[in-house]
Amino acid sequence: EVQLVESGGVLVQPGGSLRLSCAASGFTFDAFTMHWVRQTPGTGLEWVSFISRDGVTDYADSVKGRFTISRDNSKNTLYLQMNSLRTEDTALYYCVKDRVREYTDYDFDSWGQGTLVTVSS
Amino acid sequence: DIQMTQSPSSLSASIGDGVTITCRASQSINSDLNWYQQRPGKAPKLLIYAASSLQSGVPSRFSGSGSGTDFTLTISSLQPEDFATYYCQQSYGTPLTFGGGTKVEVK
Repeated sequence: EVQLVESGGVLVQPGGSLRLSCAASGFTFDAFTMHWVRQTPGTGLEWVSFISRDGVTDYADSVKGRFTISRDNSKNTLYLQMNSLRTEDTALYYCVKDRVREYTDYDFDSWGQGTLVTVSS
Repeated sequence: DIQMTQSPSSLSASIGDGVTITCRASQSINSDLNWYQQRPGKAPKLLIYAASSLQSGVPSRFSGSGSGTDFTLTISSLQPEDFATYYCQQSYGTPLTFGGGTKVEVK
C-alpha cells in the first residue's frame, strides 16, 4: 500500500524559511515523479512543483525562485525548501505521487494527508 | 496558463440520482483531463484519468467523457459516500491547474 507522510508544517513569520518532508513507502520511490500540491479554502487546489525520477524540476510561477523541490532516493523522501515565505503561502501542503512508472504524466494517483503551513506575524 | 472552469459550483441531489459535472478548459488539452473526489477532511482521490479511464478500485458508476475543451464527469446513481467535492485538473502541461470544484450535497 502506498503511503506518503508529510511533516514540517508550522507557524512561521513572513520572510521566514521552512523545509517540508515527505516519507514515502509501499512503492518503488525512485521510479516515479513526485509533486507538491497545496490547498487553501480561498484558492482551492494549486500545483506547486514536481521533480522527476532523474531530477528534472518545474515550479508554479507563484513560488519560482523561492521554493526548491528535491528528493533523496536512498531515503525514499521528498522535500520542499520554502524561502521568503509570504502570507499567501499559507496552505495545506500535500505530497503527491505521479501515476505512471518511469514517466511523467501529471496524473496524481496517491496523496498524503498534508502538512499545514501558516505564514503570519 | 490553462484556466479550468467547473460548473456548477454546487448541486443538491438525492441518493440514486444521476449527476453530471462539467469542466471547460481555456484551450484545447486533448484528453489530458483528470477528475478527483475530495471528502471533508481528506485528501483528494483520483477517479478518472485521461478524460475517460477509470482509476483502479473506483466504482463503475463514475464515468468521464470529453476531449478538446469540454469534459464531463457523470455519477450514474449517487451513493451516500459520493457526497463530496469534485475537481477537474488538466495534465496537458505545466503549470498544472485545477478547476474550482463542485460540491455535491444532499437534497
